[in-house]
Amino acid sequence: QVQLVQSGAEVKKPGASVKVSCKVSGYTLTELSMHWVRQAPGKGLEWMGGFDPEDGETIYAQKFQGRVTMTEDTSTDTAYMELSSLRSEDTAVYYCALWNDGYNYAFDIWGQGTMVTVSS
Amino acid sequence: QSALTQPASVSGSPGQSITISCTGTSSDVGGYNYVSWYQQHPGKAPKLMIYEVSNRPSGVPDRFSGSKSGNTASLTISGLQAEDEADYYCSSYTSSSTKVFGGGTKLTVL
Repeated sequence: QVQLVQSGAEVKKPGASVKVSCKVSGYTLTELSMHWVRQAPGKGLEWMGGFDPEDGETIYAQKFQGRVTMTEDTSTDTAYMELSSLRSEDTAVYYCALWNDGYNYAFDIWGQGTMVTVSS
Repeated sequence: QSALTQPASVSGSPGQSITISCTGTSSDVGGYNYVSWYQQHPGKAPKLMIYEVSNRPSGVPDRFSGSKSGNTASLTISGLQAEDEADYYCSSYTSSSTKVFGGGTKLTVL
């Protein structure tokens, strides 16, 4: 059974960067399509980007292009999401989630979430 | 990519049925059968409830059902129970290979 375990909460100052990790267990990351979704306090879910198996590339939501980088370390089956030039509006819970391409075309496995607080 | 449109809130009494709508465009909801629904309780990660418009993952009660007509998808919960009180989000695949979520609907069980 696939499980996703994320890194702990972070507090950052405006203008800094944050890197959140998501460790996969029970499967190999290279065979999965990892995505990142965030949720600001009291707000809805917002898709940030993820791996597109059709193109073999990572695609980002236009809103975050140039500011977000999603990477994977296949040796440790760990995915990373780095967001730069942080501002207060980036305060949110960040989730990694697996898109099950070819089976149910949905986010069927989620990490527990990582709270990122941006404050001076 | 604009968020899909959902009602902010719906409510119902135990045993009743409710329906949550999710309106998009022909570039997302209307163009693909890759619409999914998620349940989120406070402080918890979202949970997949419906995939590919109307399919339930193993373990999801058959009280939950989904459908789609044109650019609008719907989630229906019949025989409402107290534990169904939560936030619900729809999501769709889009023509640019991106994904998009709805704004979310708060379900209150009266």
